[in-house]
Order: sequence, then structure tokens, then C-alpha cells
Amino acid sequence: TQLLEQSPQFLSIQEGENLTVYCNSSSVFSSLQWYRQEPGEGPVLLVTVVTGGEVKKLKRLTFQFGDARKDSSLHITAAQTGDTGLYLCARDTGGFKTIFGAGTRLFVKA
Amino acid sequence: SAVISQKPSRDICQRGTSLTIQCQVDSQVTMMFWYRQQPGQSLTLIATANQGSEATYESGFVIDKFPISRPNLTFSTLTVSNMSPEDSSIYLCSVGSGNEKLFFGSGTQLSVL
Repeated sequence: TQLLEQSPQFLSIQEGENLTVYCNSSSVFSSLQWYRQEPGEGPVLLVTVVTGGEVKKLKRLTFQFGDARKDSSLHITAAQTGDTGLYLCARDTGGFKTIFGAGTRLFVKA
Repeated sequence: SAVISQKPSRDICQRGTSLTIQCQVDSQVTMMFWYRQQPGQSLTLIATANQGSEATYESGFVIDKFPISRPNLTFSTLTVSNMSPEDSSIYLCSVGSGNEKLFFGSGTQLSVL
């Protein structure tokens, strides 16, 4: 299957807390993308991970690609209210046909 | 990167009517796509809009219901035909770039009464 499973589905935390969201698949993929979608907007690409075991950092966001390239995680340090949104993992299945996970809805409270 | 303008941004429509959504890109792009995002759900690919030929539809989506035009490399339209409340969704235009990147418009929030 090419399905991407994300967890948790919903997360509500206080500003300043840390959190991790996960993206899993039963199949190996060559690369994986993480997007963030804010209310009323389209998704915006945050990062693409390609190599098994790869870790990428984007300010307070840390993205990791599993060694077996079947899973990925996104860790946010010291969450801010501006981090509120829908976090989607996605993979290209060929010819730019991208499938998306169901997403993790994050709400950061002030 | 690409700047994508999508309109309308939202609309409320009556059952049985049709709505055409426009997508304008600030540069010529080869790959252009239409996605649907149902309430509280993730994104589902409707079709690939092909310039100069018929769109390529994904399983579960048909041309009669979602006719698509792509007259040139910067513009596309998606029509939602004979709407029912089940068509209430966000419809998103996107374009492909290098390295598997997708850029999205802001979406059209459609509510069908």
C-alpha cells in the first residue's frame, strides 16, 4: 500500500511545549515531504527528506527520515501560536502525483 | 517558486448549479493539478490538467462531474457540475516544480446548500 498514516490526528498544547508528529507507511519511499496548511490557505512545503536517517532542521522544526525510509517524524521545540495548523506528510508516486497523509491538526494555545 | 491566484476564494451555491474555479499562475508550468479537501480531511487528487489535451482523472472522479480546461501553460479552470451538498469542500489548484515540490493556491471554499 502507498497509504501514509499520520499520528496523532489532533494535538492541542500550550505555547512553549515540545511535540512530535509521525508519518508511517508499510512501503519504502524514495523521498517524503512535509507541508503545513494554515486555515484559509493552501499547503506550503516545509521540507523534503530523501536519505534514510536524514535529519533536517528548519528553525525550531526538526525533521527525521527513518533509516528504512518507511517513516518520518516532525519535532517542534518550544511551540508558538504561529505553529498552529495542519501538518501533512506526502510522497510523490511518480509524475508529480502526490498523495497526502490525513494530517495532524496542531493547536497551540497562548 | 510559483505564485498561484485562485478565484473565487469562497462561494455558497445552490444544489443543481455549477461553479467554475479559475487558477492563474505567474509563470509557465508544465504540471498543473486540482485537489479536493473535504471538511476535516486531507487532500485528494482530482485530476492532472494537461495543456492542449483532456485532463487525466483519478479513480472516483469523472469529466462530466469535474470538467477541466487548460488553454495554456499559465491558466486552468475546474468546474464542479450539478452540485450537491456532498461537493462542499475546499478545491485547490497546484503546480509542480523541480524536486517533487508542489505549490498551492489558497483554495476555493465551496458550500452547497
